[in-house]
Amino acid sequence: NAGVTQTPKFQVLKTGQSMTLQCAQDMNHNSMYWYRQDPGMGLRLIYYSASEGTTDKGEVPNGYNVSRLNKREFSLRLESAAPSQTSVYFCASSESRLAHNEQFFGPGTRLTVL
Amino acid sequence: QKEVEQNSGPLSVPEGAIASLNCTYSDRGSQSFFWYRQYSGKSPELIMSIYSNGDKEDGRFTAQLNKASQYVSLLIRDSQPSDSATYLCAVRGSGTYKYIFGTGTRLKVLA
Repeated sequence: NAGVTQTPKFQVLKTGQSMTLQCAQDMNHNSMYWYRQDPGMGLRLIYYSASEGTTDKGEVPNGYNVSRLNKREFSLRLESAAPSQTSVYFCASSESRLAHNEQFFGPGTRLTVL
Repeated sequence: QKEVEQNSGPLSVPEGAIASLNCTYSDRGSQSFFWYRQYSGKSPELIMSIYSNGDKEDGRFTAQLNKASQYVSLLIRDSQPSDSATYLCAVRGSGTYKYIFGTGTRLKVLA
């Protein structure tokens, strides 16, 4: 099992460009999450999908959109990238119907917006 | 007040000592509590989870939960230089699929 995979691993964008970060999990988890991590800020939730067909905003959703393509895949789109979106992005999944289940994280995407 | 609070550190301990990491949370209805370890440039990995008041031990790690005080801690016994990392506390709130993370405590184990 690959667990949670993310592509790309690194990306450099110019201000105003768009891109989509891809995430897939092979653990048959119902919930998937997108976080960003900035120095001193911890992990901040951007969007999450509690189950296939649903998405909800997290703490910092502005400037992002998401798509839960199917149970395995959850993508994050930046429509018009800004330097403030320079960050490390982590995707996570969880079998969250049970409150005690933990999240599993992907390797991250390091994004720089110039 | 932040929902999950941790001292950012760095917390420096000598090799072989006990490292004590602390976390407080604001949602009294929170059900599940998790400690993740994150090495520089890597993704978080689960160390311990705890759901009931009291202690839970796994090898050199002990998680402690006190719901009345809204406090969860992680003890690392016989600390090793390889334990040097940032430790993230995460809380699963009541009636939600969301996990809220603290900003993490950086631990340095000195050889």
